[in-house]
Amino acid sequence: GIQVEQSPPDLILQEGANSTLRCNFSDSVNNLQWFHQNPWGQLINLFYIPSGTKQNGRLSATTVATERYSLLYISSSQTTDSGVYFCAVEHENYGQNFVFGPGTRLSVLP
Amino acid sequence: NAGVMQNPRHLVRRRGQEARLRCSPMKGHSHVYWYRQLPEEGLKFMVYLQKENIIDESGMPKERFSAEFPKEGPSILRIQQVVRGDSAAYFCASSPHPRQPQHFGDGTRLSIL
Repeated sequence: GIQVEQSPPDLILQEGANSTLRCNFSDSVNNLQWFHQNPWGQLINLFYIPSGTKQNGRLSATTVATERYSLLYISSSQTTDSGVYFCAVEHENYGQNFVFGPGTRLSVLP
Repeated sequence: NAGVMQNPRHLVRRRGQEARLRCSPMKGHSHVYWYRQLPEEGLKFMVYLQKENIIDESGMPKERFSAEFPKEGPSILRIQQVVRGDSAAYFCASSPHPRQPQHFGDGTRLSIL
């Protein structure tokens, strides 16, 4: 099956700093989504981004499908950005279920 | 437009009991997916259903677990004779069509005593 890696596994930032989270995947995908799981366990859908670049406020994401990676940028981080960020992909040739990466745990300090 | 609704939010069962988890997809969505998240891990796919059909159950344990999505009513994930290892967060997602963005519910936290 498809492999999904995320880096870094853990990240500690001071409030106001910028960060880049990376997602690598081992095969062609139909769908890629970024999620934020907040400290209460809720999964927040950030981006649906199988290719290209999107921006939403302080967050933006870029997927380069031909090179099999996606980046999530967080600018001017806030304490409410803390939590785990997951990348999930849908394999092009296999089913419609997501394969999730292991996540990046982000802690933003005041 | 209400999101994906899961209930209960928290469920406590003793070993050997049955657990029933419910998921109502977003309005207009006929595709439902169940995922399980063990403590400190990512989400793992369990089963994909359309109305009255199981499309892909490759992630479901072979015993004790079953899922349905009837013509009327919510999708149900049923776990019989629960064991401690079933303690996890169970998430449901829905989409209007395959290969469309999946929208997730808030999950059901299952604790086995």
